[in-house]
Amino acid sequence: AQKVTQAQTEISVVEKEDVTLDCVYETRDTTYYLFWYKQPPSGELVFLIRRNSFDEQNEISGRYSWNFQKSTSSFNFTITASQVVDSAVYFCALSESGTGGFKTIFGAGTRLFVKA
Amino acid sequence: DVKVTQSSRYLVKRTGEKVFLECVQDMDHENMFWYRQDPGLGLRLIYFSYDVKMKEKGDIPEGYSVSREKKERFSLILESASTNQTSMYLCASSTVSWGSYNSPLHFGNGTRLTVT
Repeated sequence: AQKVTQAQTEISVVEKEDVTLDCVYETRDTTYYLFWYKQPPSGELVFLIRRNSFDEQNEISGRYSWNFQKSTSSFNFTITASQVVDSAVYFCALSESGTGGFKTIFGAGTRLFVKA
Repeated sequence: DVKVTQSSRYLVKRTGEKVFLECVQDMDHENMFWYRQDPGLGLRLIYFSYDVKMKEKGDIPEGYSVSREKKERFSLILESASTNQTSMYLCASSTVSWGSYNSPLHFGNGTRLTVT
């Protein structure tokens, strides 16, 4: 069975601090995809990144970076020099190839507060 | 950009009422989904559709049905609303053109339904 665990329910930081959001997943499939989504107060989830299980290279996009480690089944997300606009709920998600890509399983989400 | 539009932002209904939640996407996506979002539980898949008139149950289909008569429109139906269906409902769509079926989801703003 597939499962995504985001152990951090809420994180509060002060602007310009670095913050890491943890994500641990479980799957029996050898081919799978991991995602991060951001849900700002407006409510619309926004896609941030997708990684497949064969690509363990870390990804950096501006102040955002992602660390994918199959050995620990983790796909952590780091925001460098956080800003107030980063305040949102962040979801990690998993989609197995075996489900045809139709079933994306989400973690419970981590609410990030960035204070000015 | 993909636009997924949900017809209502807030709805208040009475127990036993039949409730329709409408969702329209404008990017010719093949797949459409209905999720519900509850605190501490993340997003859970109710139903999805990969083609017109096709539908598949997700993880929590009980008490819900769906309709997809046109490619761009996917409706969620609560046959007899109950208080435990009070939740945020999110519609999403995706395409199969990412070289796999595990494409990112594009979400609407959500409908917050309260059943009293």
